[in-house]
Amino acid sequence: QLQLRESGPGLVKPSETLSLTCTVSGGSISSSSYYWGWIRQPPGKGLEWIGSIYYSGITYYNPSLKSRVTISVDTSKNQFSLNLSSVTAADTAVYYCARLGVTSPGDAFDIWGQGTMVTVSS
Amino acid sequence: QSALTQPASVSGSPGQSITISCTGTSSDVGSYNLVSWYQQHPGKAPKLMIYEGSKRPSGVSNRFSGSRSGNTASLTISGLQAEDEADYYCCSYAGSSTYVFGTGTKVTVL
Repeated sequence: QLQLRESGPGLVKPSETLSLTCTVSGGSISSSSYYWGWIRQPPGKGLEWIGSIYYSGITYYNPSLKSRVTISVDTSKNQFSLNLSSVTAADTAVYYCARLGVTSPGDAFDIWGQGTMVTVSS
Repeated sequence: QSALTQPASVSGSPGQSITISCTGTSSDVGSYNLVSWYQQHPGKAPKLMIYEGSKRPSGVSNRFSGSRSGNTASLTISGLQAEDEADYYCCSYAGSSTYVFGTGTKVTVL
């Protein structure tokens, strides 16, 4: 059964770069049927799509975050990563990684990691 | 790319049916029948309930159904049960391989 797990620092200082990794187990990240995405949720607020990546390295980003976001993939480790630069308190959130279906399910996030809380504070 | 609009809260008694709306624009919900719905219990990751507007993943109860009319998508929960109490989010494909989520709706079972 496919599982995703986020990892990374739980505390990041303002103006620094937030870096998280999602490890995929029980299946290959190199499947042609899926993209892989990052979604975040500030405390008490709603979900926000950050961006998605294909195993080939093709990326798509939320226009509101595009200038600060980089998503990359390491197929040899079955992992993909998120870098968010110049963070502020507004970037404090639970960060989720998820699988995004290309065809079935079409354009839906069908498997999610448990999420990891990242706090931006000095 | 603005968040899709959902009612903040919806409530119903056990056994009743409720409907959650998700209003977008002609650039997202209105252009693509690619709305998905997620259920999120407190402290848990979201769970996919509906995709492509009205399709249910394997294992999701047929009490959950989805539809779309114009720029508005809807999620209906029939035969409301205590376990359905959760937050629900819609999400739409918005073109150019981008996605936008809804503001979220808290469902309360009275």
